[in-house]
Amino acid sequence: DTGVSQDPRHKITKRGQNVTFRCDPISEHNRLYWYRQTLGQGPEFLTYFQNEAQLEKSRLLSDRFSAERPKGSFSTLEIQRTEQGDSAMYLCASSPRTSGTGELFFGEGSRLTVL
Amino acid sequence: GESVGLHLPTLSVQEGDNSIINCAYSNSASDYFIWYKQESGKGPQFIIDIRSNMDKRQGQRVTVLLNKTVKHLSLQIAATQPGDSAVYFCAELTPRGGGADGLTFGKGTHLIIQP
Repeated sequence: DTGVSQDPRHKITKRGQNVTFRCDPISEHNRLYWYRQTLGQGPEFLTYFQNEAQLEKSRLLSDRFSAERPKGSFSTLEIQRTEQGDSAMYLCASSPRTSGTGELFFGEGSRLTVL
Repeated sequence: GESVGLHLPTLSVQEGDNSIINCAYSNSASDYFIWYKQESGKGPQFIIDIRSNMDKRQGQRVTVLLNKTVKHLSLQIAATQPGDSAVYFCAELTPRGGGADGLTFGKGTHLIIQP
C-alpha cells in the first residue's frame, strides 16, 4: 500500500504521560500536514512541513506539542504531559503539489485517548 | 472571524435519490473550495474541488455548485448508494505562512442512506 500510513492507530494513555505519533507520507510528497479532529468536528490544522522545514504552526499547537520531519520523509508528532483535552484523532496528510490545490492525501489517523 | 460551516449536521435520504449537502463560508476572498468524504474510522478522502472562477463542476455522480454572491457551495450526489454513507466536509484553501497553504474545514454533514 502506498498511501499515507500512521502509527499507532490507537493510543490510550494516562494524563501526564508523553505520546508520540508517526506519519509516513506518500513517497515523493514534499508537503506534510498534521491535523487534529475531535468528535463531530472537522479537522483542525496543526502544523505543516515542506520537506524538512516546518513552515507554520497553529496557535492550537501549544508548547507541549512538537513536530519534526528530520529528513523530509516521515514525521513525528509528540505531545508531552498529555491532558484530557488532547483526546482526539490526529490526522496526517501529504501532498505532492507546491501550491494552489487542496488535494491532500490523508492517513487513517491516530486516535488518542487520555484518561 | 473567518469560518467555513455547514447548515445541517445530518441528512437522511433514500437509496437511489439525489442528495444535496450545503456549505456556507464567510471569507469572501476565498478562491478555492474542496469537498471531502470521511467514512467511519478513516481519514478524509478528496471528492471534488472548485475554483472561484467557476460556478459549477461535475465529477462522477457528484456536482459542486458555487454561489459567490451568497458565499455558498453545495455538493450534489446523484443516485445515492449505501457506500455514500459518510460525513462530508467542505473545506476552504487558506493562505498560510511561508508561502504555504492549508485547508480550513467545516464541521461536516453526516449523510445517511436509507434502504
